[in-house]
Amino acid sequence: DTGVSQNPRHKITKRGQNVTFRCDPISEHNRLYWYRQTLGQGPEFLTYFQNEAQLEKSRLLSDRFSAERPKGSFSTLEIQRTEQGDSAMYLCASSLWGQGADNEQFFGPGTRLTVL
Amino acid sequence: GENVEQHPSTLSVQEGDSAVIKCTYSDSASNYFPWYKQELGKRPQLIIDIRSNVGEKKDQRIAVTLNKTAKHFSLHITETQPEDSAVYFCAASEQGHTDKLIFGTGTRLQVFP
Repeated sequence: DTGVSQNPRHKITKRGQNVTFRCDPISEHNRLYWYRQTLGQGPEFLTYFQNEAQLEKSRLLSDRFSAERPKGSFSTLEIQRTEQGDSAMYLCASSLWGQGADNEQFFGPGTRLTVL
Repeated sequence: GENVEQHPSTLSVQEGDSAVIKCTYSDSASNYFPWYKQELGKRPQLIIDIRSNVGEKKDQRIAVTLNKTAKHFSLHITETQPEDSAVYFCAASEQGHTDKLIFGTGTRLQVFP
């Protein structure tokens, strides 16, 4: 499968624990986005990378959230001291950005986080 | 910042009928408007998109129209089939800047055989 992949697909954790999710984009894609989706809502932008540089973070993103893309390929999203309000589907998307590129965003299957 | 509103929130149609979903956006700098289809438990899938330099785009039974002056765009599905049943999301972004997608709240489409 050459699409965007995410691991784990499901994560159940207790409040106060730290969790880390991984996203592997489509191999030639230079942009990688993280979104969060709660039940009945559209995806909400969290942050994005161009290669290894994190170019924007949503103002809604608390200091407990951090994301990295150290080699410009896969990315990780870490949530520290999880709260019940962090329960959601965390979606990753990737795109090819640049001259002549469509920059269409392709989504991964998501990681569903449940905080007890 | 950008805000996208989507209507209706639910839409039920008989197989073979047409379905129309409408979205409005607030930021006149937005220039890219994709539509995603999300089946239950699945990832959002891009079904069609339109850029601000065109007013209409069609792909088989699906079409999208854009009115830049009024800042609204619509998805039209003709000859609906039961497999069209899903949640549809519109989105807007300013390509060439951040490209982050701002999504609407979704429309649950049910097509009855």
